[in-house]
Amino acid sequence: DAGVTQSPTHLIKTRGQQVTLRCSPKSGHDTVSWYQQALGQGPQFIFQYYEEEERQRGNFPDRFSGHQFPNYSSELNVNALLLGDSALYLCASNLFGTGGGEEEKLFFGSGTQLSVL
Amino acid sequence: AQSVAQPEDQVNVAEGNPLTVKCTYSVSGNPYLFWYVQYPNRGLQFLLKYITGDNLVKGSYGFEAEFNKSQTSFHLKKPSALVSDSALYFCAVIPLNSGNTPLVFGKGTRLSVIA
Repeated sequence: DAGVTQSPTHLIKTRGQQVTLRCSPKSGHDTVSWYQQALGQGPQFIFQYYEEEERQRGNFPDRFSGHQFPNYSSELNVNALLLGDSALYLCASNLFGTGGGEEEKLFFGSGTQLSVL
Repeated sequence: AQSVAQPEDQVNVAEGNPLTVKCTYSVSGNPYLFWYVQYPNRGLQFLLKYITGDNLVKGSYGFEAEFNKSQTSFHLKKPSALVSDSALYFCAVIPLNSGNTPLVFGKGTRLSVIA
């Protein structure tokens, strides 16, 4: 059973460019969340997708957008990249409703390391 | 707003010695508390959680954590450290009965176990 898979593993972009990161959830999961982990910091919640809609959003600018497809996979898009967007981007998946104390059912991918030069 | 603090960036311990990784929290009401571990090139892995009940919770790989409400702490412990425990550890919190509220993580503590 494949876990959460993310692609690519590493990415180098320049300031002002746009980037798309991809995530396939664990089999049986229908909800995808994205986190940004900057160097020396803990993961910060960006947003969550369920039924192809953004359900929750953290404190991130509109340059960060996402999409969820009918097969539950998801994309994270970042426009007008800034140096400060350099980070490890983590995708996590779960079955909708398994939160609030059931976080052992939330599974994380290995992440995409984005470097903005 | 809820938050967690991990006061140590790095903890060094000799193999076989007990280890403690510290975490304090701030949340309105009662918290759900968690510990995650991150190995190089790996995603976050769930270690253990505190919801209610016994203040000492046991988790994966021999780790345990003690919830202390008066000190608002949730320190991670292990009686005998292994070199393979070397990794990045994150404490996280969400408020009790918060439904689908996302996790709020601390900045992490790097544990180095020396043979």
